[in-house]
Amino acid sequence: AQSVTQLGSHVSVSEGALVLLRCNYSSSVPPYLFWYVQYPNQGLQLLLKYTTGATLVKGINGFEAEFKKSETSFHLTKPSAHMSDAAEYFCAVLNGYIPTFGRGTSLIVHP
Amino acid sequence: DGGITQSPKYLFRKEGQNVTLSCEQNLNHDAMYWYRQDPGQGLRLIYYSQIVNDFQKGDIAEGYSVSREKKESFPLTVTSAQKNPTAFYLCASSIGGGGYNEQFFGPGTRLTVL
Repeated sequence: AQSVTQLGSHVSVSEGALVLLRCNYSSSVPPYLFWYVQYPNQGLQLLLKYTTGATLVKGINGFEAEFKKSETSFHLTKPSAHMSDAAEYFCAVLNGYIPTFGRGTSLIVHP
Repeated sequence: DGGITQSPKYLFRKEGQNVTLSCEQNLNHDAMYWYRQDPGQGLRLIYYSQIVNDFQKGDIAEGYSVSREKKESFPLTVTSAQKNPTAFYLCASSIGGGGYNEQFFGPGTRLTVL
């Protein structure tokens, strides 16, 4: 069985501040992990993914995430938030055909 | 450009009517999925298909039906048996074949029951 927990349904930051979106997972086997972004009334778009190898993964738009097996975490970060980063972010875990998604975190960016 | 298209973007249905949501992909992907999205609940899987002419129920299949007659098409019918169909519906595809691959999503269809 696999599951994903995203801590905080809403995260609010100021423009230029660090963005940290938390994701913890459970999986019976080594997982593949994903972060997706969703802008209002649109589909999801892949930000980055971890499969094997390097545990620090870089994605689009300046985002990165680090796979920490000991903490079963895959937190998403960005050094400096931009107004255009305001969106819903979903973490997902996959160890078979069907991914399991977290409930999402809404990122709010204040000017 | 390769991608996934969903139509219509917005759909209004009267109670008791069946409606069909279209999903087409030109990515040559084997696997296709339908999700329902409600505020604060993330994505819930309705149906998925790993190959043409085969599909499986997801977590919330009751009141929905699908077909997979062609590789590029995976239409979803919301039947009158679905008691609360107002939601945002997302179609996705992946390469499939048992690999651990990311999904590609369409732009979604927002269904409202009047």
